[in-house]
Amino acid sequence: DVKVTQSSRYLVKRTGEKVFLECVQDMDHENMFWYRQDPGLGLRLIYFSYDVKMKEKGDIPEGYSVSREKKERFSLILESASTNQTSMYLCASSPGTGPFYEQYFGPGTRLTVT
Amino acid sequence: DAKTTQPTSMDCAEGRAANLPCNHSTISGNEYVYWYRQIHSQGPQYIIHGLKNNETNEMASLIITEDRKSSTLILPHATLRDTAVYYCIVRAPGGGANNLFFGTGTRLTVIP
Repeated sequence: DVKVTQSSRYLVKRTGEKVFLECVQDMDHENMFWYRQDPGLGLRLIYFSYDVKMKEKGDIPEGYSVSREKKERFSLILESASTNQTSMYLCASSPGTGPFYEQYFGPGTRLTVT
Repeated sequence: DAKTTQPTSMDCAEGRAANLPCNHSTISGNEYVYWYRQIHSQGPQYIIHGLKNNETNEMASLIITEDRKSSTLILPHATLRDTAVYYCIVRAPGGGANNLFFGTGTRLTVIP
């Protein structure tokens, strides 16, 4: 089974701190994604990556950056955390860009910025 | 990508079929219909997808109308563990942005 793991289930940070969220997948997938999920807004794509060292902005990239130095690992970075970044963060991976792509999600990290 | 419209919430009795509708009237010819669900406190889970023909797998059936402007996800014998938010997504293959847009979905509650 594909496994997508995220470094923390729950995280509490202070305003202005630099925050790293890590995601690792074990199926050699090319594509990886970071979403945030907020009540009433569904999932919104922050960034995605289709190859090592490649990244593309999603719908809401402001305030975030990403890093993909290895195929299996995709990191989301909040350079200076703010309270409006309190959210559930979900990482996903998928095997390619064919007509069918099934995204495998991690369990999520609930980040609270105080 | 085509926009989808789903009811906000639905209830279903345990053991009965759950029929979740989705409207996608602006769907274009090469766009697929995908269904995901999210159980509380977990990441979304893929259920099924289709292009124009009806599809069935071990989890569910997907019925797509002939004009492809709407579809229905069917859980044939709903259990309490099927209580979740169900997302209907329409997406074309390939392209530069290989991602799925998740809206707010339908909250299905299976009642004992």
